[in-house]
Amino acid sequence: EVQLVESGGGLVQPGGSLRLSCAASGFTFSYYSMNWVRQAPGKGLEWVSYIGTSSDNIYYADSVKGRFTVSRDNAKNSLYLQVNNLRDEDTAVYYCARATGSGRLPFDIWGQGTMVTVSS
Amino acid sequence: EIVLTQSPGTLSLSPGERATLSCRASQSFSSSYLAWYQQKPGQAPRLLIYGASSRATGIPDRFSGSGSGTDFTLTISRLEPEDFAVYYCQQYGSSPYTFGQGTKLEIK
Repeated sequence: EVQLVESGGGLVQPGGSLRLSCAASGFTFSYYSMNWVRQAPGKGLEWVSYIGTSSDNIYYADSVKGRFTVSRDNAKNSLYLQVNNLRDEDTAVYYCARATGSGRLPFDIWGQGTMVTVSS
Repeated sequence: EIVLTQSPGTLSLSPGERATLSCRASQSFSSSYLAWYQQKPGQAPRLLIYGASSRATGIPDRFSGSGSGTDFTLTISRLEPEDFAVYYCQQYGSSPYTFGQGTKLEIK
C-alpha cells in the first residue's frame, strides 16, 4: 500500500523548534518530488515547501523562508521539515504530499498530517 | 506569486443537482499546472483533477474540469451525498505553489 506517515508534531513555545518527519512506503521514494502543505485550524491549505528527487531543487513559501528547512533521505525513504523560530501563526496540521513524479506535478498521495501547536 | 480566488465561498445545493465551482488566477498560466482537490472534515485532501481537465485515478466521471489562462472551473454533474466537502484549486507551475481559499459545498 502506498502510504505517507508524518510524525514529530507537538506543542512548542514561540521561538522553539521541531523536526517533522514523513515516512514513505509502498513506492520508490527516490523517483518522486515531495512537498509539505499545512492547514491552520479551520482554515485553507497553504503550500510550504517543495524538494526535488535528489534535493536538487528546493522551494519555500515566503512565510517560512529562512526559518524552515526541507530535506530528504532517499536511502531511508524519508522526508523532513526542520521548523525553527516558530510563531503563533505556524500552528497548523502539517501534511507531506507526494507529487505524481519528478518535477512540477500535482500531489496525489497525502499523509494524515501531524499537528504543530505554537503557544506559550 | 499567483493568487487564486475561488467562488463562491459556499455553495448550497441538493443531491442530484449540478455544481459549478470557479477558480480565477491573478495572472495567466498554463492549464497544465492547475489541479483541484477535495477535502472532507478530518481527512487529508484528495486529488481530483490535474492539468485543468484530467481526472485522477479512481475519480468518477461526474467530476470534470475546464478552463485556461486565468479562469478555471470544476463541475460536478450530478451531486452524490459523498460529494459535499471543501474544494480547493491549486497551481503547481511556479513557486510558490498556491492554493485557492476553498469553496465549501454544502447540502441545501
